[in-house]
Amino acid sequence: RKEVEQDPGPFNVPEGATVAFNCTYSNSASQSFFWYRQDCRKEPKLLMSVYSSGNEDGRFTAQLNRASQYISLLIRDSKLSDSATYLCAVNRDDKIIFGKGTRLHILP
Amino acid sequence: EAGVAQSPRYKIIEKRQSVAFWCNPISGHATLYWYQQILGQGPKLLIQFQNNGVVDDSQLPKDRFSAERLKGVDSTLKIQPAKLEDSAVYLCASSTQVKAEAFFGQGTRLTVV
Repeated sequence: RKEVEQDPGPFNVPEGATVAFNCTYSNSASQSFFWYRQDCRKEPKLLMSVYSSGNEDGRFTAQLNRASQYISLLIRDSKLSDSATYLCAVNRDDKIIFGKGTRLHILP
Repeated sequence: EAGVAQSPRYKIIEKRQSVAFWCNPISGHATLYWYQQILGQGPKLLIQFQNNGVVDDSQLPKDRFSAERLKGVDSTLKIQPAKLEDSAVYLCASSTQVKAEAFFGQGTRLTVV
């Protein structure tokens, strides 16, 4: 089993819809969690850190479920500019491990 | 605040040649990472430094890859000799401390022919 798993997609979603991604991690000792966004041929950019209590940044909401070992990302009122690959990252033993990413296409 | 700087942006070499990549992290960031990202995959951690010491290099193919971080600031990653399967984007990232979020440079796109 891979340490960090994501559904690769692609998710094809009409503009304005709500979309949610999950990411599961295998090591219960993982301590911090992140969502990154990566545009085609660009570097990953931090979208948001994920806190135990859940956190929201505008249209984006991240949640952590330690019992089931997954994190989620919810995007509301999706925009064409949200089209990208979303990478889940987990800090385990002071190393940041990435999933393969989920591709999102927002359709006009 | 200046971001993570990497050079070169692109490199094409023949197999069995050597190549080196350079990274300058964000000022004050003690932790530096080198990742390899193959097309369609997530970044794979190659090596992690804390200041000028190696924290983890378990995924670094040490028969051909080497990295150093002299004086705890800049870092270089070298491949010698390169193989076709080394074609990838090599990303450098830095963070303030080991549990904090990492910030990436633009990467070096390596093509081995």
